[in-house]
Amino acid sequence: DTGVSQNPRHKITKRGQNVTFRCDPISEHNRLYWYRQTLGQGPEFLTYFQNEAQLEKSRLLSDRFSAERPKGSFSTLEIQRTEQGDSAMYLCASSPIELGESGNTIYFGEGSWLTVV
Amino acid sequence: GDSVTQMEGPVTLSEEAFLTINCTYTATGYPSLFWYVQYPGEGLQLLLKATKADDKGSNKGFEATYRKETTSFHLEKGSVQVSDSAVYFCALRSISNFGNEKLTFGTGTRLTIIP
Repeated sequence: DTGVSQNPRHKITKRGQNVTFRCDPISEHNRLYWYRQTLGQGPEFLTYFQNEAQLEKSRLLSDRFSAERPKGSFSTLEIQRTEQGDSAMYLCASSPIELGESGNTIYFGEGSWLTVV
Repeated sequence: GDSVTQMEGPVTLSEEAFLTINCTYTATGYPSLFWYVQYPGEGLQLLLKATKADDKGSNKGFEATYRKETTSFHLEKGSVQVSDSAVYFCALRSISNFGNEKLTFGTGTRLTIIP
């Protein structure tokens, strides 16, 4: 399978605990994104990497959230001191950089469901 | 800022019916427009896209035309099947100062097709 891979797919955690999600993008995709999707809503942008550089973060990404992409390949999203409002699906996506192409496709993974109890 | 407004669901149709899901957008410049589909328990899959005005995106019998004058990108299919039951998201792509190709999504429309 050469798609975007995320794990774990489901995580139930107690309020106050830390959780970490991992994303493996499509091989050779330079760009990597994290989105959050709550029930009944569309995905919302959280953060963006180009190679290992985190170039943009949404205001949705509070201080309790941190994302890394240490070698420009896989990425991790950590949530510290989880709150019930963090319950959502966390989607990872990747895309290539193709000069001159205005319609680059962004490919999404299957998401990681987080439930904070 | 950028925003996408799409027809609220849920939408329930009989098999072989005609489908329209409305989508309008607000954006600066000339964004690319997308429809994504999400099947139960799965992530988002790109259904179709259009990158400039009057372009028509099509895939699996679905079509949408980029209408700049009405800022719309309505999704249509002439004859739906039970397997089309899913949540459909309209999205626009803008490019930030950081080169971030950020997608802004609508809230989604849940479609159920009954045999």
